[in-house]
Amino acid sequence: DTEVTQTPKHLVMGMTNKKSLKCEQHMGHRAMYWYKQKAKKPPELMFVYSYEKLSINESVPSRFSPECPNSSLLNLHLHALQPEDSALYLCASSSPRGPERETQYFGPGTRLLVL
Amino acid sequence: SQQGEEDPQALSIQEGENATMNCSYKTSINNLQWYRQNSGRGLVHLILIRSNEREKHSGRLRVTLDTSKKSSSLLITASRAADTASYFCATSPTGGFKTIFGAGTRLFVKA
Repeated sequence: DTEVTQTPKHLVMGMTNKKSLKCEQHMGHRAMYWYKQKAKKPPELMFVYSYEKLSINESVPSRFSPECPNSSLLNLHLHALQPEDSALYLCASSSPRGPERETQYFGPGTRLLVL
Repeated sequence: SQQGEEDPQALSIQEGENATMNCSYKTSINNLQWYRQNSGRGLVHLILIRSNEREKHSGRLRVTLDTSKKSSSLLITASRAADTASYFCATSPTGGFKTIFGAGTRLFVKA
């Protein structure tokens, strides 16, 4: 299984809502990533988990809260978002060891619209 | 801030022609990768070239790396309409998990 899955595919939420994005992989990867991508822009790294521990936080606002409950799952909890947070949110995973450790496998993304 | 800058920003070619995209970066790197993204979807890894390599091939893809100029190029030969996508270079300046993507080149291949 070389697939990263993300749910939901689309999400519309108000600024007072709380929602969560989910990501799952079964490739045995122990590094997982969240990226944010605005239209016609490159992905921007938000968070990295390595062995279920937060390794990188790119100064992301606290209204985004990541969680890695186990080695296969990665969540992104959303609360009190702003309209400018509307974007495609991409999850990725990679193996932290071996010759292809830098290769990231991406999910299809969740397209988020904040009203 | 973006590590990589790519040019051209957009490229339109006929099917069968070759497409060349360039990427420049600012800091030392351990490797450089190229990814492809179809409209509004996830990225797909194409190829990785390490800092001690100068050229690498994979099918119709040819990647070069010039660390003295801090630049890389991706050549797609005999392009097909299905190659229409955005192409991004990506670097990991510290060799760790932090990955920085270039601005991307949008390639359109006309059938």
